[in-house]
Amino acid sequence: GNSVTQMEGPVTLSEEAFLTINCTYTATGYPSLFWYVQYPGEGLQLLLKATKADDKGSNKGFEATYRKETTSFHLEKGSVQVSDSAVYFCALNTGGFKTIFGAGTRLFVKA
Amino acid sequence: DAGVTQSPTHLIKTRGQQVTLRCSPKSGHDTVSWYQQALGQGPQFIFQYYEEEERQRGNFPDRFSGHQFPNYSSELNVNALLLGDSALYLCASSSTPQSSNYNGYTFGSGTRLTVV
Repeated sequence: GNSVTQMEGPVTLSEEAFLTINCTYTATGYPSLFWYVQYPGEGLQLLLKATKADDKGSNKGFEATYRKETTSFHLEKGSVQVSDSAVYFCALNTGGFKTIFGAGTRLFVKA
Repeated sequence: DAGVTQSPTHLIKTRGQQVTLRCSPKSGHDTVSWYQQALGQGPQFIFQYYEEEERQRGNFPDRFSGHQFPNYSSELNVNALLLGDSALYLCASSSTPQSSNYNGYTFGSGTRLTVV
């Protein structure tokens, strides 16, 4: 079946460090891929998306490139801030009704 | 423009009781999906409603049921509550995923259900 695997957290970084959160997927067909972010006490917010191979989604300094050959959609940011501390979820939708989420990766950024 | 509104925000129930959670979707969205998020886990799909009908269901027992109203708002009902039903219940609205303007979910802040 379709699934998403994320690197386990927590990830702890100092402010201005480079961030990578790995995400790989298994899916039939050609899924759309998403990154969502969840701040403490809140619901999830869509961070970025990509709908086809080689697309790059970007938002708020975060980027992820849809790599069909490696079935990956890694999240990156060049310089993290304390305010980026949150839980990040990779997700996919294969054009069906439901979106499947990974287990989430918690990020802590220290000042 | 209001986003997705869920009520109540917190709820404590006793085992065996029944609970109803409510969701108003973002303006312009016609599809409502419900997810259960256990502590430290990713959201798990319960079901999705479109045009007042359940279109797909995840691996949840029949104790979980739902409804969508003509104004697109939705309810999630859980009967015969178990301790394991304690979780954050998230409502997500969207255009239908099959549409060309599908742009992912807009989530509410969730209802924290505690079963004691």
